[in-house]
Amino acid sequence: SQELEQSPQSLIVQEGKNLTINCTSSKTLYGLYWYKQKYGEGLIFLMMLQKGGEEKSHEKITAKLDEKKQQSSLHITASQPSHAGIYLCGASGSARQLTFGSGTQLTVLP
Amino acid sequence: DAMVIQNPRYQVTQFGKPVTLSCSQTLNHNVMYWYQQKSSQAPKLLFHYYDKDFNNEADTPDNFQSRRPNTSFCFLDIRSPGLGDAAMYLCATGGLSTDTQYFGPGTRLTVL
Repeated sequence: SQELEQSPQSLIVQEGKNLTINCTSSKTLYGLYWYKQKYGEGLIFLMMLQKGGEEKSHEKITAKLDEKKQQSSLHITASQPSHAGIYLCGASGSARQLTFGSGTQLTVLP
Repeated sequence: DAMVIQNPRYQVTQFGKPVTLSCSQTLNHNVMYWYQQKSSQAPKLLFHYYDKDFNNEADTPDNFQSRRPNTSFCFLDIRSPGLGDAAMYLCATGGLSTDTQYFGPGTRLTVL
């Protein structure tokens, strides 16, 4: 079965700083999803990557999938308190069901 | 505007008392998923429906059942909840027609 490892497990940054979260897969990724979750709430879709070398951006968040399709990174530029939450990467299966990494807890200090 | 709705948002039940959680969608997606998320852990897939075809994960306990009477609705039944079943239950929709999986807000289950 596919396993996803996220690093770091938790991250505390000062508002305005840049940060990167990594997601490494034990197998080739055929679809990699990034979600954000606030405590006690559902998951909010951020981005989905499929092709090796693909990079997508939305507002101040950029996600990349490496050429070998076994690692993805999520980069936030000029972080804000609204970016705080848990970031989850998920690998897509044959029916698009997701296997998730353990998550990265992001705290942004004002 | 809500696309995936879960009811109730909070459910309290007693040990061993059956409980049903509800999910509905307005997206007309052919796949619906149920995930269990325990405290400080990642969501874990319990099962999914591809249209009316039920797909159970190998390690999902028999205590968990699901029903999908039509495209819009899917139910999660827990026949005899134990203390270890206390968790957030997340419903999601998606499928081959879309690259995105949409999640509901979740139902937080407490077992007394």
